[in-house]
Amino acid sequence: ELKVEQNPLFLSMQEGKNYTIYCNYSTTSDRLYWYRQDPGKSLESLFVLLSNGAVKQEGRLMASLDTKARLSTLHITAAVHDLSATYFCAVDFDNYGQNFVFGPGTRLSVLP
Amino acid sequence: KAGVTQTPRYLIKTRGQQVTLSCSPISGHRSVSWYQQTPGQGLQFLFEYFSETQRNKGNFPGRFSGRQFSNSRSEMNVSTLELGDSALYLCASSLWLGSNTEAFFGQGTRLTVV
Repeated sequence: ELKVEQNPLFLSMQEGKNYTIYCNYSTTSDRLYWYRQDPGKSLESLFVLLSNGAVKQEGRLMASLDTKARLSTLHITAAVHDLSATYFCAVDFDNYGQNFVFGPGTRLSVLP
Repeated sequence: KAGVTQTPRYLIKTRGQQVTLSCSPISGHRSVSWYQQTPGQGLQFLFEYFSETQRNKGNFPGRFSGRQFSNSRSEMNVSTLELGDSALYLCASSLWLGSNTEAFFGQGTRLTVV
């Protein structure tokens, strides 16, 4: 069964702190995506990770992919309130198309 | 550059009715996928279309159907609506098939079945 898990599901952190969200998946894939969703809004693409060892950074967020461990991480550095949102990882198990299996999401709340 | 456009944004329907949702992908994009988002089940894949052909279908009943037109616009249809079909329906477009293409999501259509 194709399964994507995220840990933690809920995260409350203070501004200025660092934290990591983990995304595990069940079957081999080297295509993983991170999305952000604000309440009532659509999904905003954050990172596209397409190979083992891929690392991408944008502002206070950094994502990495370890295909051997079937693990991706989203690291938050010096969190600010604007980062409060739900973060989803999605794994594409289809070699030729785009058929995402999403994780359950991590609801992040950054407190002042 | 215009993004993915979904219409309508909000819909209220009665059980037993049918509904059609529309998705216009980013200009030049040929692949369109649909997802259902609910609080209980999260984001679930419905279908994927490329060049007017359905390539993949998720684990949904036959009441859910879709199609893609020659201009890459896509529609999905849900017949005999049930209360459990209430959800946010999201459409994503990407340039091409394959692993190197990024998917961009529309704002979604929020369907409420009463």
